[in-house]
Amino acid sequence: GQQVMQIPQYQHVQEGEDFTTYCNSSTTLSNIQWYKQRPGGHPVFLIQLVKSGEVKKQKRLTFQFGEAKKNSSLHITATQTTDVGTYFCAVGKGDYKLSFGAGTTVTVRA
Amino acid sequence: DAGVIQSPRHEVTEMGQEVTLRCKPISGHDYLFWYRQTMMRGLELLIYFNNNVPIDDSGMPEDRFSAKMPNASFSTLKIQPSEPRDSAVYFCASSQGTGYSSPLHFGNGTRLTVT
Repeated sequence: GQQVMQIPQYQHVQEGEDFTTYCNSSTTLSNIQWYKQRPGGHPVFLIQLVKSGEVKKQKRLTFQFGEAKKNSSLHITATQTTDVGTYFCAVGKGDYKLSFGAGTTVTVRA
Repeated sequence: DAGVIQSPRHEVTEMGQEVTLRCKPISGHDYLFWYRQTMMRGLELLIYFNNNVPIDDSGMPEDRFSAKMPNASFSTLKIQPSEPRDSAVYFCASSQGTGYSSPLHFGNGTRLTVT
């Protein structure tokens, strides 16, 4: 079945620095969604990408869909303590089944 | 809108007991999903409903798990008998629209501990 790999699994970031997390698939994706889960919380929808090469921004977060629609990235600039949490990508697996990646867990050093 | 509402927030039970988790989706959402989250396996889809009808239950671990959606505003996930390996956070989520192009709205989850 369709699988996605997220790298890195853990990201330790100095406050104010930038970082990028990646979501990679072996097959072409129709779309990809990104979610954020704060510690002890539930996943919250951030964005959906559909078009090849699509780039969307939400304040300090930049989401990109690869040209081949096999990978996606989330770039966060000037990391803040509020960015702490786990970021998941999710892709369709046929019908209406979303398959979640293992997530990138972000911690921030003040 | 109150969002997806799950109860209870925490459940501690002994092995062999029956556990029932409850979910109220967002009004107007046609799809309801049950996910399980563990450190080892991440977020796993157990079952999903469309218009109260179970569509795919291939993620349900075994016959000890069952789910129902008697109406558009209520769903239950039952484990009978429960086992320690069932310990996890169980999330209910709902969405509107067809396909996998609609965002999922998750509830706060039920943290289940089976001793």
